[in-house]
Amino acid sequence: DAKTTQPPSMDCAEGRAANLPCNHSTISGNEYVYWYRQIHSQGPQYIIHGLKNNETNEMASLIITEDRKSSTLILPHATLRDTAVYFCIRNEKLTFGTGTRLTIIP
Amino acid sequence: DAGVTQSPTHLIKTRGQQVTLRCSPKSGHDTVSWYQQALGQGPQFIFQYYEEEERQRGNFPDRFSGHQFPNYSSELNVNALLLGDSALYLCASSPGRVDSYNSPLHFGNGTRLTVT
Repeated sequence: DAKTTQPPSMDCAEGRAANLPCNHSTISGNEYVYWYRQIHSQGPQYIIHGLKNNETNEMASLIITEDRKSSTLILPHATLRDTAVYFCIRNEKLTFGTGTRLTIIP
Repeated sequence: DAGVTQSPTHLIKTRGQQVTLRCSPKSGHDTVSWYQQALGQGPQFIFQYYEEEERQRGNFPDRFSGHQFPNYSSELNVNALLLGDSALYLCASSPGRVDSYNSPLHFGNGTRLTVT
């Protein structure tokens, strides 16, 4: 099964860190974990991806467990503009799933 | 540097008709993927083109076909439209080989197709 599992929705207070979990227990050894987000009526926006090691860029951090069966996307200081649907993808060429709707609360 | 551009942005068609959607990839990208996104759902992979050939295909009927041109732009064609084909159609481009897992996708903002 190429799908991932994410909670359907989450809330986070503005200025706090948003931690979005993703389960990908059947991931194979050469597959990367990708994160995208989609703001209403726009195309998905690439955030970050990783294979085994934790990754950080200007948008977010990605923590991947040692067994690679799950990962967490961290938005360190959430702003209202981070309100979006976040997709965790095991392989971006296949089905995205329904993602997590993250709402940042003022 | 222009990103992925899609045209038209909106389209209304009647059941049974045919439609063609167009996509220009981001500069420097040679691989184009197409996705269908129904309301409230995640994008569903239709197919991917590289070197003017369809390289991978998702679970979509033959009514969905595509083409990639020498300049890497692409078209998605849907024949015999059904009401259920109403969706946002997204084009994504990426650089490098089609089987590279280390190539993030860059999406356009899509074409909203309504079938009545």
